[in-house]
Amino acid sequence: EAEVAQSPRYKITEKSQAVAFWCDPISGHATLYWYRQILGQGPELLVQFQDESVVDDSQLPKDRFSAERLKGVDSTLKIQPAELGDSAMYLCASGGADSYNEQFFGPGTRLTVL
Amino acid sequence: GNSVTQMEGPVTLSEEAFLTINCTYTATGYPSLFWYVQYPGEGLQLLLKATKADDKGSNKGFEATYRKETTSFHLEKGSVQVSDSAVYFCALNSGGYQKVTFGIGTKLQVIP
Repeated sequence: EAEVAQSPRYKITEKSQAVAFWCDPISGHATLYWYRQILGQGPELLVQFQDESVVDDSQLPKDRFSAERLKGVDSTLKIQPAELGDSAMYLCASGGADSYNEQFFGPGTRLTVL
Repeated sequence: GNSVTQMEGPVTLSEEAFLTINCTYTATGYPSLFWYVQYPGEGLQLLLKATKADDKGSNKGFEATYRKETTSFHLEKGSVQVSDSAVYFCALNSGGYQKVTFGIGTKLQVIP
């Protein structure tokens, strides 16, 4: 069964350092999402791609976060510099082309900023 | 804007008890509604969905009915098991680019 892949699964870094997360969506899925999930809360959308284009990054802290999906397949989310408040689970999801299809989530990357 | 309101947890039940987790929503148009489940240390998995009013989604003994008149999508299960212990998220999806709004999640703990 096709799955969304994410790496690394866990990342520990010190504040002010740079971190990067990678996501490989299910093959053929045009839509890719990055979410941040703070412990005890629901996922918050950071950025949404349709193919290689950003369609929603209204909640992305653009002074320190960046995301790209250059070839419309896999994607990278970067934080530079990391802050203590960035400690969270970062989830990637992908979705098919049909309206109202569910999103398929990867296992997530647990980030701890010290 | 869209919003989803879930009952706050944690919910603690004995095995074989009846489960209800309330979810209400606010949205423009006619959204699709979802329940996702998240087991410890894992990503979210779709549990069930309903795409139009009066639809009933069901999976693994869980059910939820899309009630447009009360803007609700309550999750129910007749007899919970220890393995159902997880966090449950209600969500809605509206708009052409499938933007999803999640509730805060309800933690369920089932004790033997």
